[in-house]
Amino acid sequence: GAGVSQSPSNKVTEKGKDVELRCDPISGHTALYWYRQSLGQGLEFLIYFQGNSAPDKSGLPSDRFSAERTGGSVSTLTIQRTQQEDSAVYLCASGTPGGDTQYFGPGTRLTVL
Amino acid sequence: GENVEQHPSTLSVQEGDSAVIKCTYSDSASNYFPWYKQELGKRPQLIIDIRSNVGEKKDQRIAVTLNKTAKHFSLHITETQPEDSAVYFCAATLNTGFQKLVFGTGTRLLVSP
Repeated sequence: GAGVSQSPSNKVTEKGKDVELRCDPISGHTALYWYRQSLGQGLEFLIYFQGNSAPDKSGLPSDRFSAERTGGSVSTLTIQRTQQEDSAVYLCASGTPGGDTQYFGPGTRLTVL
Repeated sequence: GENVEQHPSTLSVQEGDSAVIKCTYSDSASNYFPWYKQELGKRPQLIIDIRSNVGEKKDQRIAVTLNKTAKHFSLHITETQPEDSAVYFCAATLNTGFQKLVFGTGTRLLVSP
């Protein structure tokens, strides 16, 4: 079946602009995660959604970052007033109900000029 | 909170040799430990995982061991091949009820023919 998809694959924006990144999880997966991966670095947890529970936002680096998940499926990560240090690959992952395994999407490479 | 340390950061081996990557974690409540492989420009892919009720798990040339007392786990790759070259990430659950994974910083493995 289809895996996790993300769009756009690449995004170049100017400093100060807002961006929206989209994640389509695997159908039936109730868990959805956002991570950030800077060049040559590990995966930094940003936010986690599980079903209808309140999301775990503990990894969001500042109030410029927000995410929502509508209808328990598609998620959008929004970065307001982008800064150069926001440049990274943003990865989304989804998981099965009650499961541990996370399946990653291809990521969105964000470049802030 | 949970902290995962991973060593070495880079590892170079000759084809056919074995490779070992080690991780330590801080939260004794962690109970799930996956390993991901990320090839250049690709998404992280789960290659093997272990849960805290077992000490070792094998899958062909790959094995993972877990020492709960010492809070460390290791990835073992035998008979390495050039296609094993990638960045490998370990992770551990932060047992908050949300199964949020905390990742190590990654090991770049290079297998030379």
